[in-house]
Amino acid sequence: DAGVIQSPRHEVTEMGQEVTLRCKPISGHNSLFWYRQTMMRGLELLIYFNNNVPIDDSGMPEDRFSAKMPNASFSTLKIQPSEPRDSAVYFCASSFGGGPIQETQYFGPGTRLLVL
Amino acid sequence: SQQGEEDPQALSIQEGENATMNCSYKTSINNLQWYRQNSGRGLVHLILIRSNEREKHSGRLRVTLDTSKKSSSLLITASRAADTASYFCATERTSGSRLTFGEGTQLTVNP
Repeated sequence: DAGVIQSPRHEVTEMGQEVTLRCKPISGHNSLFWYRQTMMRGLELLIYFNNNVPIDDSGMPEDRFSAKMPNASFSTLKIQPSEPRDSAVYFCASSFGGGPIQETQYFGPGTRLLVL
Repeated sequence: SQQGEEDPQALSIQEGENATMNCSYKTSINNLQWYRQNSGRGLVHLILIRSNEREKHSGRLRVTLDTSKKSSSLLITASRAADTASYFCATERTSGSRLTFGEGTQLTVNP
């Protein structure tokens, strides 16, 4: 298995531009997670899908952030408009589960975003 | 606020020594997991311990869980330079299904 695939691996953009991050979870997994990691705030859960349905989006910072999961094999995280404070590494993770018991999460390599 | 808090924040040891990292949490949990993150990479799952378990082993890793003290420890025996990484604990609360990660311990193993 190729593991969780994220693209792009690196993104440099200017403030105000739209940024779209992509994730392909491990085949057969039914839960998908978007995290953001910064030195200041550590690893934060942004949103979590189970069976393509958003379950918990309480970590999404504000309306500039949106996430979709149109099918079991693809998800996007969009930032519009982007701001310098959005600069971070964004991780996608997937797992098989999603009920009351959370199982092992498998992380992608991350997208390193820099907003100038 | 972060559910898990790792201690120490940074640890530097010599190859061959044992490394112990601790994690404390505040609310009841279903399970606690430890992850490793190498610089510039994603997190990798190491071990999961359920709330009804007290100790678990996996290779050179030993994890303990004390639910009465709301704490866990990760012991890496006979450390190697390749163990250099950040180690995170993550808890799944009984009240929900999301994992909450601590801020991590940066382990440096000197050859």
